[in-house]
Amino acid sequence: DVKVTQSSRYLVKRTGEKVFLECVQDMDHENMFWYRQDPGLGLRLIYFSYDVKMKEKGDIPEGYSVSREKKERFSLILESASTNQTSMYLCASSLPGQASGEQYFGPGTRLTVT
Amino acid sequence: AQSVTQLGSHVSVSEGALVLLRCNYSSSVPPYLFWYVQYPNQGLQLLLKYTTGATLVKGINGFEAEFKKSETSFHLTKPSAHMSDAAEYFCAVWGGSQGNLIFGKGTKLSVKP
Repeated sequence: DVKVTQSSRYLVKRTGEKVFLECVQDMDHENMFWYRQDPGLGLRLIYFSYDVKMKEKGDIPEGYSVSREKKERFSLILESASTNQTSMYLCASSLPGQASGEQYFGPGTRLTVT
Repeated sequence: AQSVTQLGSHVSVSEGALVLLRCNYSSSVPPYLFWYVQYPNQGLQLLLKYTTGATLVKGINGFEAEFKKSETSFHLTKPSAHMSDAAEYFCAVWGGSQGNLIFGKGTKLSVKP
């Protein structure tokens, strides 16, 4: 069974802290994605990666960075957390090319920054 | 460039009634279209997809959607709603380059007993 796991379901951090969100997939997928989900705004793409050590900015990369050292793992880093980064964060993976639209999602991490 | 508009942020139906969730898209290239569903406290899962070929596509849990190029629409339907269908539904378009999905803002479906 296809699986994308995220390191935490709920996380509470203080303003200014460095935050790491981890995502692991077991499907040998080339593509991995980080989204944030906010009520009324849908899903917005933060960063994505097509291969190990490769990353591309999405629509809202400011305040975030990513790391992909291994094919199965894609990390989202908040360098200095701020209250406006309180949100639900969703990781996804997919095969490349024409299968890119068929994405498999993790359960999400609800991050609260106080 | 691609975009998606979902009409209605909230839709409420009675159990057993028709479900109709509306989605219109804009795409400069032949689109691939998707519906995803998100149950409470879960991630998204693929409900159905249109790539090429037959314009009426069937998905899981009795849902189907019809691609209408002339109307740039991809509405989601189910003949008879069940309580377990209560969830948020997202329409998405993929334009074929770079693998980025563009999501609509979502429609939350409530099912009344």
